[in-house]
Amino acid sequence: DVKVTQSSRYLVKRTGEKVFLECVQDMDHENMFWYRQDPGLGLRLIYFSYDVKMKEKGDIPEGYSVSREKKERFSLILESASTNQTSMYLCASSLIRQSEAFFGQGTRLTVV
Amino acid sequence: GESVGLHLPTLSVQEGDNSIINCAYSNSASDYFIWYKQESGKGPQFIIDIRSNMDKRQGQRVTVLLNKTVKHLSLQIAATQPGDSAVYFCAENIAQGGSEKLVFGKGTKLTVNP
Repeated sequence: DVKVTQSSRYLVKRTGEKVFLECVQDMDHENMFWYRQDPGLGLRLIYFSYDVKMKEKGDIPEGYSVSREKKERFSLILESASTNQTSMYLCASSLIRQSEAFFGQGTRLTVV
Repeated sequence: GESVGLHLPTLSVQEGDNSIINCAYSNSASDYFIWYKQESGKGPQFIIDIRSNMDKRQGQRVTVLLNKTVKHLSLQIAATQPGDSAVYFCAENIAQGGSEKLVFGKGTKLTVNP
């Protein structure tokens, strides 16, 4: 089975801190994605990557950056956390184009 | 811009009834669609997908219908069970840059009453 693992289930950070959310997949997938999920807004795409060191902005990239140094790992970085970044963050990966994406369990981040 | 939305944010059905969850999309270039189920405290899980060259696809107890003319997608669940209670999302696949991205709708919460 495909496994997408996010490093933390729950995280509390202070405003202004630099925050790293890590995601690892074990199936050699090409594509990886970061979404945030908020009540009533569904899943919104922050960034995605289709190859090592490649990245594309999603629909809401402001305040975030990403890193993909290795194929299996895709990191989401909040350069200076703010309270409006309190959310559930979901990582996903997919093998090829037009294929299903597999999701991790999510990281619930609270910025205080 | 592209958008994927749902007509109803909540749906309540009786156990054993059939459920229909609807989704509208706006990008006529979208070529692949997926339905996901998300249970409380978990990440979304794949249910069924359909490519734009099809108008119907069936799985176990689930059927997805695609109407490209009106840009509408639906998920039908037969003989709905309490374990089907969850939030359901549709997603459309859109080309961007050198790859593709999945854009999700806001979700429909399905509640199955015993």
